[in-house]
Amino acid sequence: EVQLVESGGGVVKPGGSLRLSCAASGFTFTHAWMNWVRQAPGKGLEWVGHIRSKTDGGTADCAAPLKDRFTLSRDDSKNTLYLQINSLKTEDTATYYCVSPSGHLGQGSLVTVSS
Amino acid sequence: QAVVTQEPSLTVSPGGTVTLTCGSNTGAVTSGHYAYWFQQKPGQAPRTLIYDTNNKHSWTPARFSSSLLGGRAALTLSGAQPEDEADYYCLLSYVGSRVFGGGTKLTVL
Repeated sequence: EVQLVESGGGVVKPGGSLRLSCAASGFTFTHAWMNWVRQAPGKGLEWVGHIRSKTDGGTADCAAPLKDRFTLSRDDSKNTLYLQINSLKTEDTATYYCVSPSGHLGQGSLVTVSS
Repeated sequence: QAVVTQEPSLTVSPGGTVTLTCGSNTGAVTSGHYAYWFQQKPGQAPRTLIYDTNNKHSWTPARFSSSLLGGRAALTLSGAQPEDEADYYCLLSYVGSRVFGGGTKLTVL
């Protein structure tokens, strides 16, 4: 059974940084291109970025408006996906979900950016 | 960045059929866009109904089907049930990015 468990969310002041984690199980993580998506309160879904499998280069892409502050990484030895967010803005307030290639989502991790 | 468009809202009668579509400003949607369809009910996390254009999950009701139709990705609901009332989002893949549509609010009434 595919399981994705996000963690690391919380309340952060504007300008701060945060690292979200997503622990994956139930599928071959090392072969998977993994995604992060987010949803601001009352808004639609927004694609944040994806990271390729190591065999496909291991590189990441982020949505254009986010790429200067968001970084995806992975640790295949721990079956874990990460999202580093720097220079947080109030508009980054959202629930962040990791997504597997077959579309499984975790329960989400809430990030609130507020002074 | 590509723009993905969906109908903002649709209404279907119980037992009726409705088709939600997903288009791209870059041209026709093809299997190479690996369309995903997500369903989100009020107060719940989204869940995927369809991935890679036409793959269903075990939890995807049989009344949902997907296709490519007239240059768009399509999600067809046949025999709508009250519990199908939800927001539906498509996600398309492009070189180096993916883009969500704005979502379709489906009302079963």
